[in-house]
Amino acid sequence: DTGVSQNPRHKITKRGQNVTFRCDPISEHNRLYWYRQTLGQGPEFLTYFQNEAQLEKSRLLSDRFSAERPKGSFSTLEIQRTEQGDSAMYLCASSLVKFGWTDYEQYFGPGTRLTVT
Amino acid sequence: AQKITQTQPGMFVQEKEAVTLDCTYDTSDPSYGLFWYKQPSSGEMIFLIYQGSYDQQNATEGRYSLNFQKARKSANLVISASQLGDSAMYFCAMREGVQDDKIIFGKGTRLHILP
Repeated sequence: DTGVSQNPRHKITKRGQNVTFRCDPISEHNRLYWYRQTLGQGPEFLTYFQNEAQLEKSRLLSDRFSAERPKGSFSTLEIQRTEQGDSAMYLCASSLVKFGWTDYEQYFGPGTRLTVT
Repeated sequence: AQKITQTQPGMFVQEKEAVTLDCTYDTSDPSYGLFWYKQPSSGEMIFLIYQGSYDQQNATEGRYSLNFQKARKSANLVISASQLGDSAMYFCAMREGVQDDKIIFGKGTRLHILP
């Protein structure tokens, strides 16, 4: 098991450009989450998927952000018309959740660090 | 109001000593879960320990234990016999309810272990 992987690890882009990040969860995990972490803060929830269905989106996720998980495996997070305030670490996590479970953990990937210049 | 409060932005501890990282939480939901994660300078979030709101006993995982005081809404992490490799950011986090699957994180405590 290779764990959660994210690509790219670092991305530098100019303001106004679009960027896309990819997350590959642990293979048997049915839930996938995206978080954003700015310097000196804890991660903030953005959205999560149960298989291919997007179940919840945070108010932090403006209409410039879109996430997909088309086949219930990997996921992409796209940011359109990037702004300097989008500079952050974008973390992906996955978990295996069965009905009635409550004591499961989320396994995090190494993150993609985005710098908008 | 903050859901998760970590009042210690930074701590310095001598190697081999025990250390307690404070965490208080705020929820009106009777069902919730509490987590501690470690984030080394490399950036990945490493799960350490979990405590369910209905768990009768405090959770333990190796050198980590969670001092769960439900009435005080406190979930402190205790690391016994600290090691140099324990130097990292530590985040307390909470998941509320059984339907909601997002985790809310505190601002973290940076722990420095001194040789």
